[in-house]
Amino acid sequence: AQKITQTQPGMFVQEKEAVTLDCTYDTSDQSYGLFWYKQPSSGEMIFLIYQGSYDEQNATEGRYSLNFQKARKSANLVISASQLGDSAMYFCAMREFSGSARQLTFGSGTQLTVLP
Amino acid sequence: DSGVTQTPKHLITATGQRVTLRCSPRSGDLSVYWYQQSLDQGLQFLIQYYNGEERAKGNILERFSAQQFPDLHSELNLSSLELGDSALYFCASSVGAGAANTGELFFGEGSRLTVL
Repeated sequence: AQKITQTQPGMFVQEKEAVTLDCTYDTSDQSYGLFWYKQPSSGEMIFLIYQGSYDEQNATEGRYSLNFQKARKSANLVISASQLGDSAMYFCAMREFSGSARQLTFGSGTQLTVLP
Repeated sequence: DSGVTQTPKHLITATGQRVTLRCSPRSGDLSVYWYQQSLDQGLQFLIQYYNGEERAKGNILERFSAQQFPDLHSELNLSSLELGDSALYFCASSVGAGAANTGELFFGEGSRLTVL
């Protein structure tokens, strides 16, 4: 079963508008972390934001915020005031804290295009 | 710059050949992770090492092997290469592997392998 699901293969947003990228996850762990990464066309993976399962407040980092709804197992990324440089592939990922492994499991990604 | 160094950045080789990808983690990071990103499979976790020892194994083929050396750099060896092995191979590092490590993975820029 998919642990991380990103249902939007592609999204378009007008410059300066806000956009929400969807992510749902599946885990039986009580302790886990959720991450968002950005991959521009150049290929590198850039960390954007992190949310722990026990964090009561939604995480925010500048123009990025994470809309964490634990009961619905969703961790949507909200980008406010979109910029042309935000055009990239965005990946949601999860780390489960049971066991000793600490790898991230990634979703299939959402390609965001910001229109001028 | 994430501080993770991967070489080579690009590699073109023929089917049946063997290649070695190298990764130097961020200073102080003990864990190294290898991921494969192909168009049809997304980001797939291959293997994790922590302080020289294998910690977790993902979808790594038997033709592939990895190790982490005492100076903490890691190598991913790919042998009997097939066309389907063409992909972007990422190395990532993090500080530790224990429960206290809730931080993100820091990714290198990747090694793009093309098998002809």
